[in-house]
Amino acid sequence: EAGVAQSPRYKIIEKRQSVAFWCNPISGHATLYWYQQILGQGPKLLIQFQNNGVVDDSQLPKDRFSAERLKGVDSTLKIQPAKLEDSAVYLCASRGYRDRGRGQYFGPGTRLLVL
Amino acid sequence: AQSVTQLDSHVSVSEGTPVLLRCNYSSSYSPSLFWYVQHPNKGLQLLLKYTSAATLVKGINGFEAEFKKSETSFHLTKPSAHMSDAAEYFCVVSDNTDKLIFGTGTRLQVFP
Repeated sequence: EAGVAQSPRYKIIEKRQSVAFWCNPISGHATLYWYQQILGQGPKLLIQFQNNGVVDDSQLPKDRFSAERLKGVDSTLKIQPAKLEDSAVYLCASRGYRDRGRGQYFGPGTRLLVL
Repeated sequence: AQSVTQLDSHVSVSEGTPVLLRCNYSSSYSPSLFWYVQHPNKGLQLLLKYTSAATLVKGINGFEAEFKKSETSFHLTKPSAHMSDAAEYFCVVSDNTDKLIFGTGTRLQVFP
């Protein structure tokens, strides 16, 4: 089966610009996650979707970050305006209903550099 | 609250020698524990998982981990390191909300 797809793989922008990342989860996976991984740290959950509804966005900086999953399949994460400290790898993950408690499947990530 | 502590930020071994990556966890619940590996410019790959079954868990590529409740540890081991094992390894705890809490990672270097 195809894995979690993400694009773009790399993005360089200047501070105060906007950027969007796209994720397509494994087919049939209802739960989708966005993580932020700053260099030298473990991934940190930003937002979790169940189908097209938000389950947990408590760690999402809502003044500049937004995410949607309108049709319950693919998802977009946006940053507007970007700050220098947003430089990180943004990881998307998904899991199926039967995988609850058994781990998540991660995409390759989008590496963002804010100058 | 759940948390994990990876006791070593870097581990260096010679090819063919044993690998030990240490992890301690804190959890208010009976936890699920995982080890993920991240190769450069690649996504996170699940190595193995403990979900309250056998305490000795075998994973992919010859890795295994032992859940020790009395020591709140979940150390990752491999009898013989291979050059392809060089990567970043993350110990992860999950609570009953299915949220994953990652450690800060251990970078494994393997020398020929």
